[in-house]
Amino acid sequence: TQLLEQSPQFLSIQEGENLTVYCNSSSVFSSLQWYRQEPGEGPVLLVTVVTGGEVKKLKRLTFQFGDARKDSSLHITAAQPGDTGLYLCAGGAGSYQLTFGKGTKLSVIP
Amino acid sequence: GAGVSQSPSNKVTEKGKDVELRCDPISGHTALYWYRQSLGQGLEFLIYFQGNSAPDKSGLPSDRFSAERTGGSVSTLTIQRTQQEDSAVYLCASSILRNTQYFGPGTRLTVL
Repeated sequence: TQLLEQSPQFLSIQEGENLTVYCNSSSVFSSLQWYRQEPGEGPVLLVTVVTGGEVKKLKRLTFQFGDARKDSSLHITAAQPGDTGLYLCAGGAGSYQLTFGKGTKLSVIP
Repeated sequence: GAGVSQSPSNKVTEKGKDVELRCDPISGHTALYWYRQSLGQGLEFLIYFQGNSAPDKSGLPSDRFSAERTGGSVSTLTIQRTQQEDSAVYLCASSILRNTQYFGPGTRLTVL
């Protein structure tokens, strides 16, 4: 069974601070996705990374896929209140199924 | 609409009653997924439909859970004889590309 561990589970920071959240596994994934979920809504896909060592930037968000494709990180620069939400990582292993982590709940305080 | 829609958005039911949850996927998306999200837990895969192929039901937690997809489009998830532990948010997603899933807003089910 493939598992994805996300850390920290909860994170509360002040507006303008930087933060990094992590997604780790003992399994290799062919792709890894990050989603953001706001209360009362479904997860929204932010990015997909497929190559070991790959780095993708989405405005103030930087996503990295580990060289061994077992882990990933999401770094947010100068966090804004609009970044508040549940961040989920999900790993794909070549089939249609995704394995989801439990998420990091981020609160950005104005 | 252009996105995945689910109904109802909220459902409160009594223990032992049956419930039906509906999902309308994005038009043209051949794959449809159901997930369950419990408080503090990640998304738990329930069932997967792909075109006319037999669905992958490996995630259904018990025989009280069933799902169908009519005409390759709308899907209904049915929970019979609901239990309190069935309380959760039920999410539907559709996709046309492998691993790129678009989620609906979910149905919050509360079993009293």
